[in-house]
Amino acid sequence: GAVVSQHPSWVICKSGTSVKIECRSLDFQATTMFWYRQFPKQSLMLMATSNEGSKATYEQGVEKDKFLINHASLTLSTLTVTSAHPEDSSFYICSARDLDSSYEQYFGPGTRLTVT
Amino acid sequence: KNQVEQSPQSLIILEGKNCTLQCNYTVSPFSNLRWYKQDTGRGPVSLTIMTFSENTKSNGRYTATLDADTKQSSLHITASQLSDSASYICVVTFSGGYNKLIFGAGTRLAVHP
Repeated sequence: GAVVSQHPSWVICKSGTSVKIECRSLDFQATTMFWYRQFPKQSLMLMATSNEGSKATYEQGVEKDKFLINHASLTLSTLTVTSAHPEDSSFYICSARDLDSSYEQYFGPGTRLTVT
Repeated sequence: KNQVEQSPQSLIILEGKNCTLQCNYTVSPFSNLRWYKQDTGRGPVSLTIMTFSENTKSNGRYTATLDADTKQSSLHITASQLSDSASYICVVTFSGGYNKLIFGAGTRLAVHP
């Protein structure tokens, strides 16, 4: 089956620093990847849609200068949280759309970010 | 407004018992409806996916139903196991623009021995 990986699985950083999260589709090509944020006991909230080779599309209320997204290849998208603050602490999940599987989306295992 | 509502918000059942989770949606047009299982601290894993023309789909002990006329879906879990303890999320694909996924808030299921 299609597998999406994320790295790191968890990270702790100090306030003001930047953190990069990677999302990879391991056995399929994904021209579109999605980044979600999930707070405790809440459902996933779409942050942005990442298209290979073009600028990401951000959802309303998501600061594009704070959450930098790069989708440089068909198997890799990165999310960089810049100048992180404690309120950015959350569970970040990516998903990748498989063009060869009726546009099925596969989710990564998530990355737990804690900003101290 | 495109919304997905799930009930109950949380549920506790004893191991071996059956349960049914509900999902009502107002998403239109929609292309498919999915049920995901999300363990704590993990990403969602797909259980079933149904197009608007399908009424039921099974995956082992999980059976999903869909009534596109009433815009309702259910997920039935048979002979529950402790490992079924997780959040179950109903997700509807809004086909009106870029196949955007609309997420329900999920039902948190706890299976007790």
